Amino acid sequence: KQEVTQIPAALSVPEGENLVLNCSFTDSAIYNLQWFRQDPGKGLTSLLLIQSSQREQTSGRLNASLDKSSGRSTLYIAASQPGDSATYLCAVQTGANNLFFGTGTRLTVIP
Amino acid sequence: GAVVSQHPSWVICKSGTSVKIECRSLDFQATTMFWYRQFPKQSLMLMATSNEGSKATYEQGVEKDKFLINHASLTLSTLTVTSAHPEDSSFYICSARGGGGVYEQYFGPGTRLTVT
Repeated sequence: KQEVTQIPAALSVPEGENLVLNCSFTDSAIYNLQWFRQDPGKGLTSLLLIQSSQREQTSGRLNASLDKSSGRSTLYIAASQPGDSATYLCAVQTGANNLFFGTGTRLTVIP
Repeated sequence: GAVVSQHPSWVICKSGTSVKIECRSLDFQATTMFWYRQFPKQSLMLMATSNEGSKATYEQGVEKDKFLINHASLTLSTLTVTSAHPEDSSFYICSARGGGGVYEQYFGPGTRLTVT
């Protein structure tokens, strides 16, 4: 069964710093990988989706990379802002109905 | 596009009562809907998958008689927590997927259930 791990579990950085969140998965047979943001007590906001044939996706200050063969993905956030504070979840899709979530990284950006 | 709504956003009920949560796809037809639950500071765990007009498929360890799922139309799925207990208190999130071989799921805003 697919297992998705995110490191670190929590991260605190000063405003303006660039940062990297990590996601690893055990089975490289995936359709896509997705990064989500979740604010406390709220639902999920999709940030980036990388298809298995792609190596990266960019949206604004966010860049996600995918190395399917090694089972790794990173989410790079440039010039972090206090508004970026949230929990970031990665999820891998292994089938039509199979989406496995990671444990999440709780990010705090200190003004 | 691809908006999913949930109602209610939060609900408090007494132990032993039942509560229904609705999940609607607002601008697309959802052939498949998913129900997840999330405990505090934990990730999302899939509870069940439902296809329109069919019985839901439950994940191992999820009681189908306690968590009743109905996917009666292409835009609506409901989750009913029957005879709720305090341990059922959780954050319930639904997602929806259209057909046509597109696997991306669109997530609702979640429902906070508190059982007293």
